[in-house]
Amino acid sequence: QSALTQPRSVSGSPGQSVTISCTGTSSDVGGYNYVSWYQQHPGKAPKLMIYDVSKRPSGVPDRFSGSKSGNTASLTISGLQAEDEADYYCCSYAGSYTFEGVFGTGTKVTVL
Amino acid sequence: QLQLQESGPGLVKPSETLSLTCTVSGGSISSSSYYWGWIRQPPGKGLEWIGSIYYSGSTYYNPSLKSRVTISVDTSKNQFSLKLSSVTAADTAVYYCARLIVATITFDYWGQGTLVTVSS
Repeated sequence: QSALTQPRSVSGSPGQSVTISCTGTSSDVGGYNYVSWYQQHPGKAPKLMIYDVSKRPSGVPDRFSGSKSGNTASLTISGLQAEDEADYYCCSYAGSYTFEGVFGTGTKVTVL
Repeated sequence: QLQLQESGPGLVKPSETLSLTCTVSGGSISSSSYYWGWIRQPPGKGLEWIGSIYYSGSTYYNPSLKSRVTISVDTSKNQFSLKLSSVTAADTAVYYCARLIVATITFDYWGQGTLVTVSS
């Protein structure tokens, strides 16, 4: 069970859009529509931002959107705001016979 | 509002067993819609799923930790617990408990996390 691959960092100016990729295999990302994304500010617990690839929990701004193509899932933040600067992690279901999960390596989003 | 709170020793000696408890309030741990899980994050590093448990006691563990991990549930106290044996410095991390939605790996509620340091 290897960690999903994310870029170490991405950056953008306020108002711009950034996209974070999350690459796995056909045994995890590519095999199931169960990818979730979490935002983590320094010293805080992660917060759910996207689940089931593209669904947004109540209270999460619609600037956040998710998608998937093949073995790669993506999180897009449109209209970047200062408070979006944080670490972001993807997570995928990874077990066909067991209930296993695997996280991504994490991406630091910097608002310039 | 659902709340989860981790508790347990902040310092554990090498080779000993790390023990943490997560107390759930504002909701029942016996709900058929959710699993309950543990995740950890070493200082400055990423998240790692440790394992999950259903209120019935069914457990699922990260294969890389399976030989050292035990997760249990106490529905009468609305708590679930983590035991990690034979710890080393590599097990130093912030440990989070969280709620998972059944049939997905979606952690929708998280505890604040507790730092456990392994050191003599």
